[in-house]
Amino acid sequence: DAGVIQSPRHEVTEMGQEVTLRCKPISGHNSLFWYRQTMMRGLELLIYFNNNVPIDDSGMPEDRFSAKMPNASFSTLKIQPSEPRDSAVYFCASSYGTGPQPQHFGDGTRLSIL
Amino acid sequence: GQQVMQIPQYQHVQEGEDFTTYCNSSTTLSNIQWYKQRPGGHPVFLIQLVKSGEVKKQKRLTFQFGEAKKNSSLHITATQTTDVGTYFCAADNYGQNFVFGPGTRLSVLP
Repeated sequence: DAGVIQSPRHEVTEMGQEVTLRCKPISGHNSLFWYRQTMMRGLELLIYFNNNVPIDDSGMPEDRFSAKMPNASFSTLKIQPSEPRDSAVYFCASSYGTGPQPQHFGDGTRLSIL
Repeated sequence: GQQVMQIPQYQHVQEGEDFTTYCNSSTTLSNIQWYKQRPGGHPVFLIQLVKSGEVKKQKRLTFQFGEAKKNSSLHITATQTTDVGTYFCAADNYGQNFVFGPGTRLSVLP
């Protein structure tokens, strides 16, 4: 069975550019999570969706970040404009069911903003 | 807001030694999850604890949820090099938020 699929695996771009990260959750999962991981701040929850609806976006750092989930099989996290401090590994995870459930993580996108 | 702490931050052990990491919350938790992340990898779910005082075992790993549901521990008996990685607890505060602890990085020397 396919796990959570993220693309790209690596992204290097210059500050000021728009960055779009993509995620395909496990088929049948109804919750999707976006995380950011850095050495300094650890693993931070940015936003999570349930049944394609954003439930909690309190972790989104600022207006430069936006996330969408147009359907059950696809989500994007966009940063515009990007800044060097956005450099991190961004993980997408999905889970099935109501209440706290095991989360299945993708391999992540390693983002470097120069 | 809810804070989740883990100790120690780092642990270096000789292969065959035991290892324990502790997770502490400032608030009572509805449940706690444990994940393992290998170097360069992604977090992988290990287990979920829900009941006060609950103890669960997975081979050499023992997980415990405190009686007050504010703390948890993960104990590994006789570590192996395959146990290397960072162990995270993730705490749920009755649906209000879901927070990962900072993790404990385990190194196992052969």
